[in-house]
Amino acid sequence: GAVVSQHPSRVICKSGTSVKIECRSLDFQATTMFWYRQFPKKSLMLMATSNEGSKATYEQGVEKDKFLINHASLTLSTLTVTSAHPEDSSFYICSARAGADTQYFGPGTRLTVL
Amino acid sequence: QKEVEQNSGPLSVPEGAIASLNCTYSDRGSQSFFWYRQYSGKSPELIMFIYSNGDKEDGRFTAQLNKASQYVSLLIRDSQPSDSATYLCAVNRSKAAGNKLTFGGGTRVLVKP
Repeated sequence: GAVVSQHPSRVICKSGTSVKIECRSLDFQATTMFWYRQFPKKSLMLMATSNEGSKATYEQGVEKDKFLINHASLTLSTLTVTSAHPEDSSFYICSARAGADTQYFGPGTRLTVL
Repeated sequence: QKEVEQNSGPLSVPEGAIASLNCTYSDRGSQSFFWYRQYSGKSPELIMFIYSNGDKEDGRFTAQLNKASQYVSLLIRDSQPSDSATYLCAVNRSKAAGNKLTFGGGTRVLVKP
């Protein structure tokens, strides 16, 4: 149980394009999902908290217009990186909260912006 | 002071030995504590969680929590080469802090055959 999927697993795009990443909880419903990014050899950095049916809550320093989050259902949250640039290249990982506070992570999406 | 601190390692452990990982946290109102394992290039995988003071065992893993001293530890018994990974300590802080997980920087463990 508690399986989270993420799609795509890897994406390469040109600078200026937008990229959408999907996060799905496969066997449970998640009213709250989280989006993290991780740079090589660094720990996870929380970007935003995605709440089903309401606006996402962004961490300090994360541009909400740059990283659009939509949590349309209890099993799906999407992160759209708009007008991507090479500095947005990173490993993006979502998690879904099951129960009171346990988070299960998706497999991650490796974004490379050329 | 960082909110969640871990020794970055690497912690080198002979195969079959016990690996001991420590984590300290600053928010005394923290409610729950998690250990995740992350292999290079992969996302974190939940190993176990602990809410109450004392020990919690799951297979070869034992988590220990001491809220008075604000530390949580993870013991890996009979360490195997496949245990070589980065271990992330995560703390679910108080509701006032947003009920989010705060991660330590991770401890890299190397199990040598």
